Amino acid sequence: AQSVTQLGSHVSVSEGALVLLRCNYSSSVPPYLFWYVQYPNQGLQLLLKYTTGATLVKGINGFEAEFKKSETSFHLTKPSAHMSDAAEYFCAVSRSNTGGFKTIFGAGTRLFVKA
Amino acid sequence: ETGVTQTPRHLVMGMTNKKSLKCEQHLGHNAMYWYKQSAKKPLELMFVYSLEERVENNSVPSRFSPECPNSSHLFLHLHTLQPEDSALYLCASSQLGQSWRDTEAFFGQGTRLTVV
Repeated sequence: AQSVTQLGSHVSVSEGALVLLRCNYSSSVPPYLFWYVQYPNQGLQLLLKYTTGATLVKGINGFEAEFKKSETSFHLTKPSAHMSDAAEYFCAVSRSNTGGFKTIFGAGTRLFVKA
Repeated sequence: ETGVTQTPRHLVMGMTNKKSLKCEQHLGHNAMYWYKQSAKKPLELMFVYSLEERVENNSVPSRFSPECPNSSHLFLHLHTLQPEDSALYLCASSQLGQSWRDTEAFFGQGTRLTVV
């Protein structure tokens, strides 16, 4: 069975500081991993995804994430936070089977950015 | 037009009402999804339609009834809801190919449902 754990339901950083949002997963097969962002009153938008190949994945808005198989982690980082980064972030793992498709989402981490 | 459009954006309904949520995707995708997002709970997958056939139903109460008349449209029919059904309902679509896992879901903006 697949699952996703996001450590910390709320993270607060100062503008210009490093952003680190943690995600750990469990999966019985090699996972495909995603980070989505949700701005207030909006749907989810894909930030980046890991499928195969390079373990450091770059996404939109300066975000990147590194797949570490030994740690079963896929933490999201950004070197310098901007006020516009304030949003909720969801880590997700996808599962394939012959019957269909399911993406398992973490509970989300709300990022606050202080001026 | 945006990729995935949901209407209405906000809906208030009584427990005895019948209403429907609508989702339309303009991306040419072959799969559509309904998710429920409640406060303080993880995003919950409700239904999955692939090629207009329901392929997954995650133990959703029968007061929620999905309909997928074609690959571009998805409805969620609501009747005799409970206050705990109040949530943000998100529609998503994706293109499923040979690799089921290599998919990216595109989400609509959601319908904020309040049951009174």
